[in-house]
Amino acid sequence: KAGVTQTPRYLIKTRGQQVTLSCSPISGHRSVSWYQQTPGQGLQFLFEYFSETQRNKGNFPGRFSGRQFSNSRSEMNVSTLELGDSALYLCASSLAADRYNSPLHFGNGTRLTVT
Amino acid sequence: TQLLEQSPQFLSIQEGENLTVYCNSSSVFSSLQWYRQEPGEGPVLLVTVVTGGEVKKLKRLTFQFGDARKDSSLHITAAQTGDTGLYLCAGAGDYKLSFGAGTTVTVRA
Repeated sequence: KAGVTQTPRYLIKTRGQQVTLSCSPISGHRSVSWYQQTPGQGLQFLFEYFSETQRNKGNFPGRFSGRQFSNSRSEMNVSTLELGDSALYLCASSLAADRYNSPLHFGNGTRLTVT
Repeated sequence: TQLLEQSPQFLSIQEGENLTVYCNSSSVFSSLQWYRQEPGEGPVLLVTVVTGGEVKKLKRLTFQFGDARKDSSLHITAAQTGDTGLYLCAGAGDYKLSFGAGTTVTVRA
């Protein structure tokens, strides 16, 4: 069974640009979550989608947005990039729709560098 | 401020030694998950603990969930170099996980 696939693996952008990251979940998984990982802040929750609906959102500015398609694939977009957006962006999928107990299967992330 | 505090932040031990990683919170979680992350990869789920006082064993790894469901520990017996990695605890709630900052474990040969 294929795991969670994230593309691209690496991205280098300049300040002010925008970027779109893609995530294909494990087949059959309908929940997709996004996390930002930095050395200083660790793993921070961005948002979660289930059946194309956003069910929860973390404390990130509106420049961070996401969406989920009918085939459960998800994208996240960051507009007007800032240097502080440099991070590893991780996507995770889950089989269960359980609000309080859904173990996650992570992809290997997209490494975004903003210069 | 992290909702979950992990200690220690770094741990370096010799192969064959034992180690314990702690995860503490002021909040109660319906479940707590442990992940291990290796460089260049995403976190991989090790275990989920749900019941207060629960103890789970995974070969040389033993996980405990505190009675009040606010704290947890991970104990590794006779560590091997393959145990090297970043260990993360995460509390589950409201369709999201709240992660601790992680413990970087290095097992020297």
